[in-house]
Amino acid sequence: EVQLVESGGGLVQPGRSLRLSCAASGFTFDDYAMHWVRQAPGKGLEWVSGISWNRDIIGYADSVQGRFTISRDNAKNSLYLQLNSLRGEDTAFYYCTKGTHGAAAAAAAFDHWGQGTLVTVSS
Amino acid sequence: SYELTQPPSVSVSPGQTASITCSGDELGHKYASWYQQKPGQSPVLIIFEDTKRPSGIPERFSGSNSGNTATLTISGTQAMDEADYYCQAWDSSTPRYVFGAGTKVTVL
Repeated sequence: EVQLVESGGGLVQPGRSLRLSCAASGFTFDDYAMHWVRQAPGKGLEWVSGISWNRDIIGYADSVQGRFTISRDNAKNSLYLQLNSLRGEDTAFYYCTKGTHGAAAAAAAFDHWGQGTLVTVSS
Repeated sequence: SYELTQPPSVSVSPGQTASITCSGDELGHKYASWYQQKPGQSPVLIIFEDTKRPSGIPERFSGSNSGNTATLTISGTQAMDEADYYCQAWDSSTPRYVFGAGTKVTVL
């Protein structure tokens, strides 16, 4: 059974940093791209960032480009998201998701989701 | 930037068919996926590559994609299908993954 367990969320002041982690199990982690998708309370889904199986291809939404950094450790079956220069509009549940392909692909979808970790940016 | 447009809400009677549309420029030339999200839960993939269902997803969920519109169809809608539904596609020009704003399905 695929399991994705996020951690690291919490309350943080504007301008500060946070690091999210995702522990993956139940599949061959280094065969698949991984992504972060966020959802502000009561709002829709927004893709944040993705990383290919071998870290060669990384992408970010325009809203987080230059502030967030995605990474993965295939030896530890773990995905990370470093959030810097946080803003109020970054307040959201952050979901770790498994891609259906090893890299970005036209047919790619997100076939497993974690339970999410809440990041609240407020003074 | 590429946008996907969904109706905010759709109402359907139990046992009837619900159709949820997702519109985008030449969306039929891309692959569309659909996700179901119930209150307090994480999203679940229900359709990928326009028409395919992951294992465990009931056959009453089906998808199509042509022209500028992808459609999720729920046949014989049940009360348990009441949820928010999101479409998603890959925009190769940006390149970014894009979600629609979501459609709330109410089973009356």
